Amino acid sequence: AQSVTQLGSHVSVSEGALVLLRCNYSSSVPPYLFWYVQYPNQGLQLLLKYTSAATLVKGINGFEAEFKKSETSFHLTKPSAYMSDAAEYFCAVRNTGNQFYFGTGTSLTVIP
Amino acid sequence: NAGVTQTPKFRVLKTGQSMTLLCAQDMNHEYMYWYRQDPGMGLRLIHYSVGEGTTAKGEVPDGYNVSRLKKQNFLLGLESAAPSQTSVYFCASSYWEGAGELFFGEGSRLTVL
Repeated sequence: AQSVTQLGSHVSVSEGALVLLRCNYSSSVPPYLFWYVQYPNQGLQLLLKYTSAATLVKGINGFEAEFKKSETSFHLTKPSAYMSDAAEYFCAVRNTGNQFYFGTGTSLTVIP
Repeated sequence: NAGVTQTPKFRVLKTGQSMTLLCAQDMNHEYMYWYRQDPGMGLRLIHYSVGEGTTAKGEVPDGYNVSRLKKQNFLLGLESAAPSQTSVYFCASSYWEGAGELFFGEGSRLTVL
């Protein structure tokens, strides 16, 4: 069964600092991978997705993620954090049975 | 464009009561899903549907039933609510296999007393 592990349930960064949110997956075949963001009292919004076209994926709001098959990782990064980036971030994988599995989430705090 | 709409957005139930959450999508998506979100546990799949008239169990199906009588609607029912079902419920839909992402509703907050 596929699963997703997000290391660090809480991450704090200073405004302007690098954001790095970690995601590792377990899969016997290259999966489809996603990052979602959730702002308070809202649904989840797609940040970016990996579809095997390119290992470095660019998303909205300046975020990007790199698929590393050898490390089974899909970490999310942003060069410079803004206060508006404070939110909950979820990594997810879609299997061939069309089920999506989510990590437990990482809460990002941006310190002014 | 409404996307995915969930009703109601808030509901308080007493233990043993029943209720139905309605999810409607206007994107002609084949796949629809119900998740529950609990602190520290991420999103867990309750049930899903790969097309009109079909349903399947997810990770945590016990205590819930679903129906997909029309392609655009996916109903989640609780026959006898329990406090353990206090959660935020999200409906989502997806438009194709493989790399198609999920589109989410805004959530329904359910409290069972």
